[in-house]
Amino acid sequence: AQSVTQLGSHVSVSEGALVLLRCNYSSSVPPYLFWYVQYPNQGLQLLLKYTTGATLVKGINGFEAEFKKSETSFHLTKPSAHMSDAAEYFCAVSEANNNNDMRFGAGTRLTVKP
Amino acid sequence: DTAVSQTPKYLVTQMGNDKSIKCEQNLGHDTMYWYKQDSKKFLKIMFSYNNKELIINETVPNRFSPKSPDKAHLNLHINSLELGDSAVYFCASGPRGLGANVLTFGAGSRLTVL
Repeated sequence: AQSVTQLGSHVSVSEGALVLLRCNYSSSVPPYLFWYVQYPNQGLQLLLKYTTGATLVKGINGFEAEFKKSETSFHLTKPSAHMSDAAEYFCAVSEANNNNDMRFGAGTRLTVKP
Repeated sequence: DTAVSQTPKYLVTQMGNDKSIKCEQNLGHDTMYWYKQDSKKFLKIMFSYNNKELIINETVPNRFSPKSPDKAHLNLHINSLELGDSAVYFCASGPRGLGANVLTFGAGSRLTVL
């Protein structure tokens, strides 16, 4: 089955600094990849997704991620962190020919310091 | 109008009790899911139903029994609650053939077993 690994359970950046959250996936078939964000006491919201086509995908709130097949990675970035970005971020994968199953990484907590 | 609604939002109960969490979606999706998020924020799929048919049943104790009376509802019943069942349970729904599409999550139901 497909799986994802998020490197770093906790990332701390200063406001205005680059945000980089790492995600590597494992899949025997072409993957569909997702980043979700969870704010305190809320459910998960979709930030962005990759299916096919352009490997650099842009999402909401200035986030983007790049699919790199050779590295089996889908890292999430944002050029300049805002205090409001503090949340838990989850990378997820589903397989293109197995449409009923989505697997999540363990999550990365992003802290933004003033 | 809430797309995926779960009740109750909070549930505190004693070990050994039986409890249910209800989920309803008004998005017309065919597939519904239950995920368990533990204290370390790890999000693990428990069940997936496609138009009332069980698709995924992960290694979950048989004390957990999902019930889908129709494709808009997926309830989770838990018998003989144990301390380790304490977690946040998320319901989600997605269109048929998840593939490129995304899951919509409820706000979560926090279960505390004393």
